[in-house]
Amino acid sequence: NAGVTQTPKFRVLKTGQSMTLLCAQDMNHEYMYWYRQDPGMGLRLIHYSVGEGTTAKGEVPDGYNVSRLKKQNFLLGLESAAPSQTSVYFCASSYSRTSGSGPTGDQYFGPGTRLLVL
Amino acid sequence: GQNIDQPTEMTATEGAIVQINCTYQTSGFNGLFWYQQHAGEAPTFLSYNVLDGLEEKGRFSSFLSRSKGYSYLLLKELQMKDSASYLCAVKSGWGGGATNKLIFGTGTLLAVQP
Repeated sequence: NAGVTQTPKFRVLKTGQSMTLLCAQDMNHEYMYWYRQDPGMGLRLIHYSVGEGTTAKGEVPDGYNVSRLKKQNFLLGLESAAPSQTSVYFCASSYSRTSGSGPTGDQYFGPGTRLLVL
Repeated sequence: GQNIDQPTEMTATEGAIVQINCTYQTSGFNGLFWYQQHAGEAPTFLSYNVLDGLEEKGRFSSFLSRSKGYSYLLLKELQMKDSASYLCAVKSGWGGGATNKLIFGTGTLLAVQP
C-alpha cells in the first residue's frame, strides 16, 4: 500500500495564479482532511470530507475550495493564489470505526506539498 | 474556545528521559493524540489516550488526566533519532456527526544532544 500520496511535492506560483493539489489514499478511508502548517501556528484544518461527495469547512477555509468526487481522492484548489497562502500543505485520511462509544481513528498523513506564492 | 498549549522547545541528553507536557481547553473531548514529526516530513502517529491513565508503547508512554485537561508524553532512553517535533492533538467531535477532526497544538521541538 502506498498510504497517502500528494502531488505535487513542491510548487512556485505567482500571485493570482490558480492550482490544484491532489491527495490520494489507498486505505479505503472514509474521512479525508487538508491542513496547512506554518511556523509557530501548528497544523490548521482547511477543509475536510466525511465521505465521497461531501465536503465541509475547517478552521481556515477562505481562499480554498475542495472536491471529493471519488472516495480515494481529495482535491484542494486555490483559485487565485496570494502570498499568505505560502505554506506546507498536508493531506490526511482516517478510517471510521464506530464502536459503542463513537468513532475513533488516528489520521494518516501524506508527505506534504510545499507551496511558495510570490 | 479551543486552546492547546505545549512548550515550544526542549533539550535533552541521549540516554535520558524527557517529559513533554500538553494542556488543553476544548469544547468536548473524544481523545488525545501524540504525533511525531521529523523536519521536512509528515506527522506520524505515536499514541492515543481517551481514558485517564498511562499508555505504554516501548520507549514511549503517554498519560492523560481529563479532569485536569492535561497530558504528557514520556520518552525514555533517548536516542539521537528522537530529535523531532512532538504534536499534541485533541479530538473534540462526538456523536453521529463526529468526523475525527483534530485540533493541534503548535508542537514541541525536541533536540537530543550527545
